[in-house]
Amino acid sequence: EAGVAQSPRYKIIEKRQSVAFWCNPISGHATLYWYQQILGQGPKLLIQFQNNGVVDDSQLPKDRFSAERLKGVDSTLKIQPAKLEDSAVYLCASSLAFGGNYEQYFGPGTRLTVT
Amino acid sequence: KQEVTQIPAALSVPEGENLVLNCSFTDSAIYNLQWFRQDPGKGLTSLLLIQSSQREQTSGRLNASLDKSSGRSTLYIAASQPGDSATYLCAVRPGGGSTLGRLYFGRGTQLTVWP
Repeated sequence: EAGVAQSPRYKIIEKRQSVAFWCNPISGHATLYWYQQILGQGPKLLIQFQNNGVVDDSQLPKDRFSAERLKGVDSTLKIQPAKLEDSAVYLCASSLAFGGNYEQYFGPGTRLTVT
Repeated sequence: KQEVTQIPAALSVPEGENLVLNCSFTDSAIYNLQWFRQDPGKGLTSLLLIQSSQREQTSGRLNASLDKSSGRSTLYIAASQPGDSATYLCAVRPGGGSTLGRLYFGRGTQLTVWP
């Protein structure tokens, strides 16, 4: 079974530029998560989708971050404009459904450096 | 709000030693607790998942215990090997009737096992 795919793996941009990350979850997984992991910290949930609807975006900085999951499969996370503090690894995860007993599977992440 | 703490932040041991990584969480109303491994430049790999009703889980040389009432979990690694070198993350999923899938992560323990 193919795992969670993410691209690009690395991205370097200047502050105030925009950037987009792409995620393809495991086939059949209804729930998709985006986490932000700043160096030296644990991942923090940014947004959670159930199919193509948002379940939880309470920690998403909505003035600059946006995400969508069209057709309930692939997802894109965008930052516009980027700030220095957005430098982090952005992890995508998926699970069969949301709720307590469904394990999340993580992709390799996209490492963003904002200069 | 759930907070997860991991001690120590870093650990360096010679090959063959048995070691213990610690995780504590502030809200005992959890659904489950999970231990992950993260290698540099890669995503998270799930090692063990303990349901709130369980006391421990074992997989090969790994054993994780959970004491929900005291808000603690330990990951025991037996006969450590250089290949065990990685960052180990602890994550809890809130219970209390919530059906959201958010995981709360600690900052991790960076383990180095030298030959």
